[in-house]
Amino acid sequence: NAGVTQTPKFQVLKTGQSMTLQCAQDMNHEYMSWYRQDPGMGLRLIHYSVGAGITDQGEVPNGYNVSRSTTEDFPLRLLSAAPSQTSVYFCASSPRRGSLDEQFFGPGTRLTVL
Amino acid sequence: KQEVTQIPAALSVPEGENLVLNCSFTDSAIYNLQWFRQDPGKGLTSLLLIQSSQREQTSGRLNASLDKSSGRSTLYIAASQPGDSATYLCAVNDYKLSFGAGTTVTVRA
Repeated sequence: NAGVTQTPKFQVLKTGQSMTLQCAQDMNHEYMSWYRQDPGMGLRLIHYSVGAGITDQGEVPNGYNVSRSTTEDFPLRLLSAAPSQTSVYFCASSPRRGSLDEQFFGPGTRLTVL
Repeated sequence: KQEVTQIPAALSVPEGENLVLNCSFTDSAIYNLQWFRQDPGKGLTSLLLIQSSQREQTSGRLNASLDKSSGRSTLYIAASQPGDSATYLCAVNDYKLSFGAGTTVTVRA
């Protein structure tokens, strides 16, 4: 198993540009989520999904969209990038939501918005 | 809203010393608590998962304890090595994960 994969690893955008961060998992996990990590603030939940076709907002959803058309993929879309979205983005998956299961994280995407 | 605090923010110890990392949380109604390791520029690696019904969990040189009533967890790393240098994060699961900011550990050879 590849586990949780994320692409790209690095990205530089200009203010106002849009882009999609890709996340995929091959463990047949129902629950997937996106976090951003900023210095001194820990990881904060952006959006999550409890299964294909079901998504919900986390703590910091503004400026981001998600969809979950398949169990494997959970892309994160930045609609109009802003410098405040400069961060490291992590995707995670878990077999079931709100269960006693371990969370598995991808390697991250480092995004800079100029 | 769950608040997770990790103190200290940074720690430097000589090789061989035991490490004690602290994590506190404000709401004791949790499902589990997970400890992660993060190396610079890398993702999160899961170290230990403690269920809410457990008092401790062990894996090799690592031991994590959980006191739900007082809202605290402690990660012990025995006989530290330079390879243990990393940032350690705790995350509390109360249907969503809430993370602490982490403790950055440096083990000096």
